[in-house]
Amino acid sequence: GAVVSQHPSRVICKSGTSVKIECRSLDFQATTMFWYRQFPKKSLMLMATSNEGSKATYEQGVEKDKFLINHASLTLSTLTVTSAHPEDSSFYICSARGGSLGEQYFGPGTRLTVT
Amino acid sequence: GDSVTQMEGPVTLSEEAFLTINCTYTATGYPSLFWYVQYPGEGLQLLLKATKADDKGSNKGFEATYRKETTSFHLEKGSVQVSDSAVYFCALVLYDKVIFGPGTSLSVIP
Repeated sequence: GAVVSQHPSRVICKSGTSVKIECRSLDFQATTMFWYRQFPKKSLMLMATSNEGSKATYEQGVEKDKFLINHASLTLSTLTVTSAHPEDSSFYICSARGGSLGEQYFGPGTRLTVT
Repeated sequence: GDSVTQMEGPVTLSEEAFLTINCTYTATGYPSLFWYVQYPGEGLQLLLKATKADDKGSNKGFEATYRKETTSFHLEKGSVQVSDSAVYFCALVLYDKVIFGPGTSLSVIP
């Protein structure tokens, strides 16, 4: 149980375009989802906390107008990278909180490359 | 602030060697502690966890004990395999936030 999926797993886009990444909890409901960014050979950096039906809470230094987060249902959160630039190229990982202890389950990640 | 420190590596071991990856934490409250593993090109997988002092988490031959007195959660395995090659992240969860350590890269050679 407690499976989180992400789509797409890899995406290449041109500079200036927008990209949407989906995060789904497949067998449980998640009122809270989290979005992380991971740079090569680095740890994960929390970008924002996404709550179903309300606005996301962004960490300091993360541009909310650039990284749009929508948590429209209890099983789906989306991250849209708007007007992408090469420096946005990274590995984006989501997690969903669930289970009796409220632990976080991580998705497999999405590799974004902006050319 | 709350933080996690771990040896960054890379760590290179021969197959069947003993593994220890040190992890220490600083927290204002009483966190839960986790070890996650990331295989090349993949996301994170929960390896083991401990929710309170003196708890021991174990999975796939890996173990870690929550030591409140030393604020540590060291990861150990008695005999590593080539398939254990990955990056290992120590993490604490406090008030819903996950704080990761920098990760330790492990390479196991035959």
